[in-house]
Amino acid sequence: NAGVTQTPKFRILKIGQSMTLQCAQDMNHNYMYWYRQDPGMGLKLIYYSVGAGITDKGEVPNGYNVSRSTTEDFPLRLELAAPSQTSVYFCASSEGGLNTGELFFGEGSRLTVL
Amino acid sequence: GQNIDQPTEMTATEGAIVQINCTYQTSGFYGLFWFQQHAGEAPTFLSYNVLDGLEEKGRFSSFLSRSKGYSYLLLKELQMKDSASYLCASHGSNYQLIWGAGTKLIIKP
Repeated sequence: NAGVTQTPKFRILKIGQSMTLQCAQDMNHNYMYWYRQDPGMGLKLIYYSVGAGITDKGEVPNGYNVSRSTTEDFPLRLELAAPSQTSVYFCASSEGGLNTGELFFGEGSRLTVL
Repeated sequence: GQNIDQPTEMTATEGAIVQINCTYQTSGFYGLFWFQQHAGEAPTFLSYNVLDGLEEKGRFSSFLSRSKGYSYLLLKELQMKDSASYLCASHGSNYQLIWGAGTKLIIKP
C-alpha cells in the first residue's frame, strides 16, 4: 500500500495563476481532509470529505475548491493564487471519522506564490 | 472558545526523559491526538486518548485528564532521532481537529 500520495511535492506559482494539488489514497478510507500548515502555527482544515460525492468547508476554505468523485481521490483546486496561499499543504485520510483515532498524512505539497 | 496551548520549544539530553504538556479548551471534547513531525516531513501518528489515564506504547506514553483539560506526552530513553516537533490536537466533532502550534524538541548529546 502506498498510503496517501500527494503531488506535486513542490510548486512555485505566480499571483493569479491556478493549479490543482492532487491527493490519492489506496486504503479505501471514507474520510479525507486537506490542511495547510504555516510556520509557527497549528494546522488549519481547508476542506474535508466523508465519502465520494460529499465535501464540506473547514476553517479556511476561501480561495480553494475541492471535489470527491471517487473514494480514492480528493484534489484541491487553487483559483487565482495569492501570496497568502504560500504554505505547506497536507492531505490526510481516515477510514471513519476522527473518533476512530486514526489519521494518515501524505508527504505534503510545498507551495510558494510570488 | 476553542484553544490548545503547548510550549514552543524544549531541550533535553540523550537518554533522559522529557514530558511535553498540552492544555486544551474544546467544545464537546471527545479525544486528543499526539503527532510527531520531523522538519520538512508530514505529521505521523503517536497516540490517541479518549479516556482519563496513561497509555503506554514503548518509549512513548500519553496521559489525559478530561476534567482538567490537560494532556502530556512522555518520552523515555531519548534518542537523537526524537528531535522533532510534537503536535497536540483535540477534537469534539468527528472531522474538525484543533491543533496546537507544536513543541520543538531539541535533543543534546
